[in-house]
Amino acid sequence: GQNIDQPTEMTATEGAIVQINCTYQTSGFNGLFWYQQHAGEAPTFLSYNVLDGLEEKGRFSSFLSRSKGYSYLLLKELQMKDSASYLCAPLNYGGSQGNLIFGKGTKLSVKP
Amino acid sequence: KAGVTQTPRYLIKTRGQQVTLSCSPISGHRSVSWYQQTPGQGLQFLFEYFSETQRNKGNFPGRFSGRQFSNSRSEMNVSTLELGDSALYLCASSLEALGSGANVLTFGAGSRLTVL
Repeated sequence: GQNIDQPTEMTATEGAIVQINCTYQTSGFNGLFWYQQHAGEAPTFLSYNVLDGLEEKGRFSSFLSRSKGYSYLLLKELQMKDSASYLCAPLNYGGSQGNLIFGKGTKLSVKP
Repeated sequence: KAGVTQTPRYLIKTRGQQVTLSCSPISGHRSVSWYQQTPGQGLQFLFEYFSETQRNKGNFPGRFSGRQFSNSRSEMNVSTLELGDSALYLCASSLEALGSGANVLTFGAGSRLTVL
């Protein structure tokens, strides 16, 4: 089966660091995406990991462990504009077909 | 360059009616995928079209259908609407088909459907 688990909500303080975890079970895994979605807006791409390890991109970093079915998104120096939902999306690929399976998202609230 | 354009942005229908939603992808993108987003279920995959062919389909009833034209524009149709079809319908375009590694999806702003 296919299952993605991430916390529903998180709260953090401006300037702090927050880690959003995601565990997944999929077949035909071919990488994992993180998307950011502000309320009332379309999701936008943050990161893609296909190999184990940490990918750093400015204030945002994403980590993947394929053997553990685990990923996290790390946000540093939080800003108010980081208040949004963060979607974990493993890429499922098999039989020449693929699809992104999205988690229900983690709603992050950044407080002053 | 222009982003992904979805029309209409908002619409209200009654049970039993049908609806057609349109999606114009980024120029040069050949894949269009559709998603339903609700507060309870999150983003759920409906189907993907690539080069006018449906490549993959999610777990939705046959009332949900779609097509893609030669210019890569896509439409999705929902027939015999039910109250539970109220949702935000998002389309996303990408250069290559889903599953092609680091193939980033660019989403449109969505069509918000309310069924009364």
